[in-house]
Amino acid sequence: DVKVTQSSRYLVKRTGEKVFLECVQDMDHENMFWYRQDPGLGLRLIYFSYDVKMKEKGDIPEGYSVSREKKERFSLILESASTNQTSMYLCASRSGGPADTQYFGPGTRLTVL
Amino acid sequence: GQSLEQPSEVTAVEGAIVQINCTYQTSGFYGLSWYQQHDGGAPTFLSYNALDGLEETGRFSSFLSRSDSYGYLLLQELQMKDSASYFCAYRGGGFKTIFGAGTRLFVKA
Repeated sequence: DVKVTQSSRYLVKRTGEKVFLECVQDMDHENMFWYRQDPGLGLRLIYFSYDVKMKEKGDIPEGYSVSREKKERFSLILESASTNQTSMYLCASRSGGPADTQYFGPGTRLTVL
Repeated sequence: GQSLEQPSEVTAVEGAIVQINCTYQTSGFYGLSWYQQHDGGAPTFLSYNALDGLEETGRFSSFLSRSDSYGYLLLQELQMKDSASYFCAYRGGGFKTIFGAGTRLFVKA
């Protein structure tokens, strides 16, 4: 079974703090994604990576950055957390083939005070 | 632009059949996926349609019509455990996947 793990299930941070969210997958997938999920808005893509050290902006990249130094690990960084970044953050991975099967981690509920 | 539309809520009774529709607008299209998400859980993959027609997996089926930019998820013999949110998503050009806002399915006894 594909396993995608995220470093924390719940996180509380203060405005202005630097926040690191980590995601690890064990299936040697090329593609990895970071989404945020807010009520009524579905899943919105923040950043994705199609290979090691390769990254592209998604639909809402402002205020975020990412790092992918190893194939299995994809990190999301909030350089200076703000209250409007309070959300559920979901990481996903996908193999490089044509199908669109994404495997999601359990999510990190981030609260910024 | 790129967008998907699906109903926000659907209610059905146990044992019934329910269809969740999804229409999309995109400039590039590879296929349509469906995901299920229970409260507090992560989305899990249900199906993927790249070609027109019906794909069946047990009680769940998914349909795609590329000419109509339309698809649906069909759930048969509904069970209480099917109460969840269902998302359609399409893969356009490149690596991105765009998700709809989700349909909340309530199954009543």
